[in-house]
Amino acid sequence: NAGVTQTPKFRVLKTGQSMTLLCAQDMNHEYMYWYRQDPGMGLRLIHYSVGEGTTAKGEVPDGYNVSRLKKQNFLLGLESAAPSQTSVYFCASSLKAHRVGSRSYEQYFGPGTRLTVT
Amino acid sequence: GENVEQHPSTLSVQEGDSAVIKCTYSDSASNYFPWYKQELGKGPQLIIDIRSNVGEKKDQRIAVTLNKTAKHFSLHITETQPEDSAVYFCAASPNTGRRALTFGSGTRLQVQP
Repeated sequence: NAGVTQTPKFRVLKTGQSMTLLCAQDMNHEYMYWYRQDPGMGLRLIHYSVGEGTTAKGEVPDGYNVSRLKKQNFLLGLESAAPSQTSVYFCASSLKAHRVGSRSYEQYFGPGTRLTVT
Repeated sequence: GENVEQHPSTLSVQEGDSAVIKCTYSDSASNYFPWYKQELGKGPQLIIDIRSNVGEKKDQRIAVTLNKTAKHFSLHITETQPEDSAVYFCAASPNTGRRALTFGSGTRLQVQP
């Protein structure tokens, strides 16, 4: 299993440009999340999905959109990039059902996408 | 919403010493408390977690304690090694709804050989 993969690893955008970040997981997880990580602020939730075809806003959703057309993929879109969106973006996934004795709460993270907006 | 505070922001210890990182949370509905280790250029990786029905959990050199009354939990690493050097994040989450994690701001641990 590859786990959680993210594409691309690095990207530089100019203000106003758009792009889509792709997250894919091969663990058949129902829950998927997008976080951003900024220096000294930990990770903050942008959007999340509790299943195929469903999405919802997290703590910092402004300027981002998401889609979950397939269970294994979760896309994060920036329609008009701004310098404030310069960050490292992490995707994560987890199981829905809680199984006794398993680490079913665990969120598995991808390697991240470093985005710079100039 | 939930607010998680983490201290210290940086911690330097000598190899073989113990390291302790502390976190407090605000939402009494939180009942799942994981700790993640993040190495340079990589995503966070779960190292240990604890649920609210347990006060302490240990896994080899790593232990976590939870005090639900005081709303704080701590990570203890004993016999530290240079490969323990990384950024550590605590987090809190309820086990209902979106179950998203609220993270602390991180602790950069440096183990001096």
